[in-house]
Amino acid sequence: DAGVTQSPTHLIKTRGQQVTLRCSPKSGHDTVSWYQQALGQGPQFIFQYYEEEERQRGNFPDRFSGHQFPNYSSELNVNALWLGDSALYLCASSPTGRAGEQYFGPGTRLTVT
Amino acid sequence: GESVGLHLPTLSVQEGDNSIINCAYSNSASDYFIWYKQESGKGPQFIIDIRSNMDKRQGQRVTVLLNKTVKHLSLQIAATQPGDSAVYFCAEFWFSGYSTLTFGKGTMLLVSP
Repeated sequence: DAGVTQSPTHLIKTRGQQVTLRCSPKSGHDTVSWYQQALGQGPQFIFQYYEEEERQRGNFPDRFSGHQFPNYSSELNVNALWLGDSALYLCASSPTGRAGEQYFGPGTRLTVT
Repeated sequence: GESVGLHLPTLSVQEGDNSIINCAYSNSASDYFIWYKQESGKGPQFIIDIRSNMDKRQGQRVTVLLNKTVKHLSLQIAATQPGDSAVYFCAEFWFSGYSTLTFGKGTMLLVSP
């Protein structure tokens, strides 16, 4: 049984560009959450998707948007990248009704230059 | 891989010692608490969880203690091994509110052979 997978592993972008990160949840999980983790910090919640809709959102600007597909996979999009967006972006999936039981993927390391 | 432990509090122990990692959580309404282990270049990995109606839970070589009076959580690792070296995060969750995890600051555990 595959766990949570994310792509790409690493990404380098230039300030002002746009980026799309992808996540496939663990089999049987229908809820996907995205987190941003800066170096030396704990993960910070960006948003959560369930039934193809954004259910919860953290304190992140509208430049951060997402999508969930019918197969429960998800994308995180960031527009107009800032240097401060450089971080590890983590995806976590959870089963129906157990949103606290989150399993994390390996993350995508985004570097903005 | 890149370190997630930059500027984090650090606990250094010898192999075979018992380790205690502490965490102060923020919300007295939190129902559920989880400890995660994060190795360099990887996503957080579930270690053990505890519900708010419990004050102690044991796993394999790990014990979590919960003190709701002072909003304090601890993770005890018995017979610490070099493979336990990582950053450890506590996270809290409350079922009736913000249905996602809020992470603490993290502690880096360094185990010397």
